[in-house]
Amino acid sequence: DAGVIQSPRHEVTEMGQEVTLRCKPISGHNSLFWYRQTMMRGLELLIYFNNNVPIDDSGMPEDRFSAKMPNASFSTLKIQPSEPRDSAVYFCASSGGYEQYFGPGTRLTVT
Amino acid sequence: GDSVTQMEGPVTLSEEAFLTINCTYTATGYPSLFWYVQYPGEGLQLLLKATKADDKGSNKGFEATYRKETTSFHLEKGSVQVSDSAVYFCALSGSNTDKLIFGTGTRLQVFP
Repeated sequence: DAGVIQSPRHEVTEMGQEVTLRCKPISGHNSLFWYRQTMMRGLELLIYFNNNVPIDDSGMPEDRFSAKMPNASFSTLKIQPSEPRDSAVYFCASSGGYEQYFGPGTRLTVT
Repeated sequence: GDSVTQMEGPVTLSEEAFLTINCTYTATGYPSLFWYVQYPGEGLQLLLKATKADDKGSNKGFEATYRKETTSFHLEKGSVQVSDSAVYFCALSGSNTDKLIFGTGTRLQVFP
């Protein structure tokens, strides 16, 4: 298996632009997680899906952030409009049980 | 609610030194406990796990024992290498969920 796949690996955008991050979980996994990592705040869980249904979105910072999982093999995290304080590494992880498997992350820079 | 507390870093050691990174937790029920490692520029990788009290997880020379009486899951390695330099995260998952609660991470720096 190729593991969790995220794209793009790096994204640089200007403030106000829309950003879409993509994730393909490991085949057969039924849970998907989006995290954000920064030096200041560490690793934060943004949202968690189980069987494509959002279970816990209490970590989503504000209405500018939205996440979807239209099917078991694909999820997106969208930021609209983006702001400089959204600059971070965004990780997607998937799980078929107790263990979570992380993707390589998307490094987002908003100027 | 459930939580994980890790020792502050960075932890700086010479090669072949003994490593301990402390982790304690607060949880209801019977959580599973994990250590994840993050190498520079990469995502987190599962290092080891323990799913019930007194279990010992081990991998790549690292060990941790699930101690229910002290609510701890300390990470140890007898002889660290430069290649072990990374950030280590302790985490737990509650009963009947695969959502993880992470600690803040501890940076380990090993010098030759």
